[in-house]
Amino acid sequence: DAGVIQSPRHEVTEMGQEVTLRCKPISGHDYLFWYRQTMMRGLELLIYFNNNVPIDDSGMPEDRFSAKMPNASFSTLKIQPSEPRDSAVYFCASSSGLTQYFGPGTRLLVL
Amino acid sequence: AQSVTQLGSHVSVSEGALVLLRCNYSSSVPPYLFWYVQYPNQGLQLLLKYTSAATLVKGINGFEAEFKKSETSFHLTKPSAHMSDAAEYFCAVTPGAGSYQLTFGKGTKLSVIP
Repeated sequence: DAGVIQSPRHEVTEMGQEVTLRCKPISGHDYLFWYRQTMMRGLELLIYFNNNVPIDDSGMPEDRFSAKMPNASFSTLKIQPSEPRDSAVYFCASSSGLTQYFGPGTRLLVL
Repeated sequence: AQSVTQLGSHVSVSEGALVLLRCNYSSSVPPYLFWYVQYPNQGLQLLLKYTSAATLVKGINGFEAEFKKSETSFHLTKPSAHMSDAAEYFCAVTPGAGSYQLTFGKGTKLSVIP
């Protein structure tokens, strides 16, 4: 199995630009999670989906962040407009039960 | 609500020495507990998990953890540290059935001194 796939692995952008992060979960998994990791705040759950439906988005920091899961094999996390404080590593994880499997992450730098 | 406290943001041990990483949890329901490891520039990888079966859980790479309800702890141990164990370790908790949302601790960075 290829595992959870995230793209891009690295993204450098300027403040105010739109950023789209992509995730392909493991086939057959019905849960998908988006996390943000920073030195200051550690690992934070942003949003998670079950069967493509958003279940809890209370961790999304503000309206500039949005996430979609149009089908079982693809999800996006969009930041518009981006700000320097959004610089972080964003992880996607998927599961079919208790154990979550993490992707390699997208390292985002907003200048 | 659940929470996790990892004591010590950074732990250093000598190669061959005992590794002990501490985790205490708070949960309003019987918890499910996890240890994940993160190597530099990589995602998180599951080391082991407690799901209310045996209280002593064995994981990959020689790690194990013991669930102690009376102490609300789930400490991670390894008898003999190897250089390849240098990484960051995260303890996490979930209420389980019906909600697979994980709450993570802040992480403990393990350094192994040759």
